[in-house]
Amino acid sequence: GAVVSQHPSRVICKSGTSVKIECRSLDFQATTMFWYRQFPKQSLMLMATSNEGSKATYEQGVEKDKFLINHASLTLSTLTVTSAHPEDSSFYICSARGGGAGKETQYFGPGTRLLVL
Amino acid sequence: QKEVEQDPGPLSVPEGAIVSLNCTYSNSAFQYFMWYRQYSRKGPELLMYTYSSGNKEDGRFTAQVDKSSKYISLFIRDSQPSDSATYLCAMSRSGTYKYIFGTGTRLKVLA
Repeated sequence: GAVVSQHPSRVICKSGTSVKIECRSLDFQATTMFWYRQFPKQSLMLMATSNEGSKATYEQGVEKDKFLINHASLTLSTLTVTSAHPEDSSFYICSARGGGAGKETQYFGPGTRLLVL
Repeated sequence: QKEVEQDPGPLSVPEGAIVSLNCTYSNSAFQYFMWYRQYSRKGPELLMYTYSSGNKEDGRFTAQVDKSSKYISLFIRDSQPSDSATYLCAMSRSGTYKYIFGTGTRLKVLA
């Protein structure tokens, strides 16, 4: 139980295009999902908190117009990187709150590697 | 000073050794303490979840929380090469659901 999927797992795009990443909780309902960014050999940096049916809360320094988040249902949140540039290349990971261990627990997706050329 | 400190390693141990991984923190409001394992280019996998102080054991893994010292530990018994990964500690305050992560410790278990 408590499985979170992400799609796509890897994407390469040209500079200036937009990329959408999906995060799904497969066997539980997640009222809250989180989006993280991770650079090589570094820890996870929280970008935003996504609550079903309401606007996402962005961390300081994260451009909300650049990283659009939509939490349309209790099992799906999407992150759209708009007008992507090479500096947006990174490993993006989502997590969903809930599942088995406890309401405080976050279960992570497998991540999406974005490369912007 | 970071809210959560974790030695980045790498930590190299022989197969079968007992591994001790640690994090210290400064915020006494943290109530929930988690350990995640992350393989290269993969998402973190939850290993242990502990509320408040005490010990918790699950198979070869034991998590300890000492709130008086603001110190948490993860012990891995009979370590295996497949345990080679980065181990991340995470903690949160009650009701916020936001995690503060350590930087992660890279572990290498040598066959």
